Amino acid sequence: DGGITQSPKYLFRKEGQNVTLSCEQNLNHDAMYWYRQDPGQGLRLIYYSQIVNDFQKGDIAEGYSVSREKKESFPLTVTSAQKNPTAFYLCASSGMASTEAFFGQGTRLTVV
Amino acid sequence: GIQVEQSPPDLILQEGANSTLRCNFSDSVNNLQWFHQNPWGQLINLFYIPSGTKQNGRLSATTVATERYSLLYISSSQTTDSGVYFCAPSSGGSYIPTFGRGTSLIVHP
Repeated sequence: DGGITQSPKYLFRKEGQNVTLSCEQNLNHDAMYWYRQDPGQGLRLIYYSQIVNDFQKGDIAEGYSVSREKKESFPLTVTSAQKNPTAFYLCASSGMASTEAFFGQGTRLTVV
Repeated sequence: GIQVEQSPPDLILQEGANSTLRCNFSDSVNNLQWFHQNPWGQLINLFYIPSGTKQNGRLSATTVATERYSLLYISSSQTTDSGVYFCAPSSGGSYIPTFGRGTSLIVHP
């Protein structure tokens, strides 16, 4: 099946711990994105990557880090510097020929 | 960056009713998508519509790029239409979707 896979679906962590969210796509898309959604809010852009080994900060990058070592993969690390990490995290990708973006099913992160 | 405003913020309908959701944006766009977020959080692609009109079953969308707005029409609504509808245009040299706060739709049986 072609698509975007995020794992895990639910994640619980203690305050002060770093945690890495996985995002994998088999759509051969060049661009990948990470968004954060808080209850009752829209999606806000954390980081994006338009090509392997390159990525750019979005609107709310503080306390997060990413890597793009492979075209298929764009993991997001939520560091202990992120003040309010509890949220719903969504990964997306889009191609060059068609710029329509597709989303994974999301990861709900709860930090206690 | 581009600003996105969606209206109404909340909408409650009886099954079978029709509705129109509006998306205003502050800049010229090179892309615009409509999504439906279901109760489990999944974002489902509805339309990829930087300009013009498209229809898919009971749903249709129109984007008037020169006047900086897009409309999503839902006809004969069903309870499964419930959820949050997002408009996500992009502008400038990138195609990064920028999201509004959405319209929360509840359809009662």
